[in-house]
Amino acid sequence: DAGVIQSPRHEVTEMGQEVTLRCKPISGHDYLFWYRQTMMRGLELLIYFNNNVPIDDSGMPEDRFSAKMPNASFSTLKIQPSEPRDSAVYFCASSFQGRAPGEQYFGPGTRLTVT
Amino acid sequence: LAKTTQPISMDSYEGQEVNITCSHNNIATNDYITWYQQFPSQGPRFIIQGYKTKVTNEVASLFIPADRKSSTLSLPRVSLSDTAVYYCLVGDITPGTYKYIFGTGTRLKVLA
Repeated sequence: DAGVIQSPRHEVTEMGQEVTLRCKPISGHDYLFWYRQTMMRGLELLIYFNNNVPIDDSGMPEDRFSAKMPNASFSTLKIQPSEPRDSAVYFCASSFQGRAPGEQYFGPGTRLTVT
Repeated sequence: LAKTTQPISMDSYEGQEVNITCSHNNIATNDYITWYQQFPSQGPRFIIQGYKTKVTNEVASLFIPADRKSSTLSLPRVSLSDTAVYYCLVGDITPGTYKYIFGTGTRLKVLA
């Protein structure tokens, strides 16, 4: 299995631009999570989906952030408009509830830099 | 949500056993204890999970006392490649109610 795939691995954009991060979870997994990691705030859970349905988005910082999961093999996290304070590493993770509750598989992350 | 407290950093030497303790005084009945490992420029990796007593896998052991207010991750005979940040998480893993908070973690440095 290829594991969780994220793209792009690095993104540099200017303030005000739209940014779209992509994630392909492990096949067969029914949960998908989006996290953000910074030195100041550590690793924060932004939103998670179960069977493509958003369950908890209380961690999404503000309306500029949105996430979708149109099917079981693809999810996006969009920031519009982007701001310098959005600079962080964004991780996607997936898990299969039936096998090992709480065991999440993380992708390699997308390092976002907003100038 | 149960807040966790871990040492910020630890140093150890190759071949030694390392024990990292996590305090979670407000742990709830439905909460599980989970540990993750993170190397630089990588996503966290699941190590072990438990509810009470002792859990062991090929990588580590997890010791949880009866009151569950703390837990200890034990890494046997560490090597240089075990240098990483270790996170203790406490949360409800019931389907549909995932509530995990990653704390600041413990930065373990293994010395030759």
